[in-house]
Amino acid sequence: GQQVMQIPQYQHVQEGEDFTTYCNSSTTLSNIQWYKQRPGGHPVFLIQLVKSGEVKKQKRLTFQFGEAKKNSSLHITATQTTDVGTYFCAGTRGATNKLIFGTGTLLAVQP
Amino acid sequence: DTGVSQDPRHKITKRGQNVTFRCDPISEHNRLYWYRQTLGQGPEFLTYFQNEAQLEKSRLLSDRFSAERPKGSFSTLEIQRTEQGDSAMYLCASSAREPKQGKLFFGSGTQLSVL
Repeated sequence: GQQVMQIPQYQHVQEGEDFTTYCNSSTTLSNIQWYKQRPGGHPVFLIQLVKSGEVKKQKRLTFQFGEAKKNSSLHITATQTTDVGTYFCAGTRGATNKLIFGTGTLLAVQP
Repeated sequence: DTGVSQDPRHKITKRGQNVTFRCDPISEHNRLYWYRQTLGQGPEFLTYFQNEAQLEKSRLLSDRFSAERPKGSFSTLEIQRTEQGDSAMYLCASSAREPKQGKLFFGSGTQLSVL
């Protein structure tokens, strides 16, 4: 089963509103990656964070890796209809190369 | 287009039959992964290859599942004696470096329906 949890499971916003999804792991992660999956599509890589407390921005998207490397967040400013999809965090633990995906947050944006 | 191709896109089979899926990764990538995804869930790790060596395998993968990457290029995933619970999207991904350093490129997946 999933060992990386994300909240919320589903979020419906009006276009222009902000959106945040949170990713929590029970154990320390070596790194965290974020993927976006459009309805009917496959996961597409967005970004990777490696350092404790790291913050990265991509236009309207802001990604953060927690100080303890157990949690992460993705914040979207002023959502657009093109942001619709499911956002997954994924991380590795210890020496393993196994990338464990979170449960995902489905974002719906109403125009 | 990510460059990872999977075949077939869809497979419908009867319970008890064997099925085989193929994945062709991006040519310069030496790492290949198989994941399984059901509706509303995140991709679930199945197995991982570095070149032709199968380095990790999920404990969730029963002995009915086997994967190969004989020449370190394409890979096959076989499911024997399929069960209805095997119905899912089977995703293949490749990467040029370890997950700690690199990103995964996913194929479009093979949707398996077991009747």
